[in-house]
Amino acid sequence: EIVMTQSPATLSMSAGERATLSCRASHSVSSNLAWYQQKPGQAPRLLIYSTSTRATGIPARFSGSGSGTAFTLTISSLQSEDFAIYYCQQYNDWPYSFGQGTILEIK
Amino acid sequence: QVQLVESGGGVVQPGRSLRLSCAASGFTFSDSTMHWVRQAPGKGLEWVAVLSFDGRNKHYADSVKGRFTISRDNSNNILYLQMNSLRAEDTAVYYCARDGVTFTWYGEYLDYWGQGTLVTVST
Repeated sequence: EIVMTQSPATLSMSAGERATLSCRASHSVSSNLAWYQQKPGQAPRLLIYSTSTRATGIPARFSGSGSGTAFTLTISSLQSEDFAIYYCQQYNDWPYSFGQGTILEIK
Repeated sequence: QVQLVESGGGVVQPGRSLRLSCAASGFTFSDSTMHWVRQAPGKGLEWVAVLSFDGRNKHYADSVKGRFTISRDNSNNILYLQMNSLRAEDTAVYYCARDGVTFTWYGEYLDYWGQGTLVTVST
């Protein structure tokens, strides 16, 4: 089973700053990695798939990079609506797996 | 627009069974591989199962293998999750989600999610 590890667990930032979230896989997942955003009481929303492709309607301030075992989600200039929990997910091997999440909170 | 509506959650005793349903609309259900994902209270996401668009390929998380069964009715656009021998650790909100790639036998990322249904396993 591929274990996904996200860091940091919590990221405290201010609006307008640049946020960098990390996700590491215990084995290579090639580029088969997605990022999701979840707000309290809501279902997750797809942000990024195939490591770097933005989903429909996702603003350009969200970008993804990486390959193999190391991946990054970058939010170039934080908006108030971006404070949420972010999860990475690998879909290279069954069972598919999520990271434990990074809480992006307002500083 | 794509809609996924889960139902069937509730409170159930350990060892008992429950069947969840997910009614799909706004897209061609029979073209789409579907997933179940769960989230225990206050915890992260856990992928549970996937079923290919044609119902031929399915895979499960180790934690539910042998106890849960994913199935679908392409005539009525419904996805199911039959949950047997339920345990306290199965307590979670269960989401159904559509795969982002059509006609895939193995599943990929999840592009649309329902709002979830809560399953509580307790005496």
